[in-house]
Amino acid sequence: GNSVTQMEGPVTLSEEAFLTINCTYTATGYPSLFWYVQYPGEGLQLLLKATKADDKGSNKGFEATYRKETTSFHLEKGSVQVSDSAVYFCALKNNDMRFGAGTRLTVKP
Amino acid sequence: NAGVMQNPRHLVRRRGQEARLRCSPMKGHSHVYWYRQLPEEGLKFMVYLQKENIIDESGMPKERFSAEFPKEGPSILRIQQVVRGDSAAYFCASSLSKTLEEKLFFGSGTQLSVL
Repeated sequence: GNSVTQMEGPVTLSEEAFLTINCTYTATGYPSLFWYVQYPGEGLQLLLKATKADDKGSNKGFEATYRKETTSFHLEKGSVQVSDSAVYFCALKNNDMRFGAGTRLTVKP
Repeated sequence: NAGVMQNPRHLVRRRGQEARLRCSPMKGHSHVYWYRQLPEEGLKFMVYLQKENIIDESGMPKERFSAEFPKEGPSILRIQQVVRGDSAAYFCASSLSKTLEEKLFFGSGTQLSVL
């Protein structure tokens, strides 16, 4: 079946540090891949997406590349800010949406 | 154009009571999805509804849980005879169409606490 596995949190970084949150998936066919972000007290928001192999999604300094050979879609940001503190969810869409467990990121000044 | 509205934000119930969670989708959206977020776990799909119809309820427990999306009014997720394990955040999301499912707009959630 379709599923998403992402690295367990919580992740704590200092401001301006490099961020990687790993995400791998299992799916039949060619799913679309997404990262959602959930800020404190809010619902999820779409952060970025990629619809086919080798596509790179990017938004607000975050990037993720759709790697079919490794079935991965790792989220990266070169320099995190305190305002990036949130929970990040990797997701895939095949026939329907499947979300990962979420990774809580805390960025300290 | 208001976003997805969920109420109440916080709901406290005693074991055995009923919980009703409401969700008004974005204007023009006729597809509604309910998710449950348990502590330290991800979002788990519960049910997908399109006006007056339940399309997919594969993620919803067979007993005590029900959902509806009437022609007029909000979508309702109903939990009868709540138990402590029902304590969670319940998120509603809406989309314009099934094919644009990834363009989900989420509400702020209802935090259900069962005493």
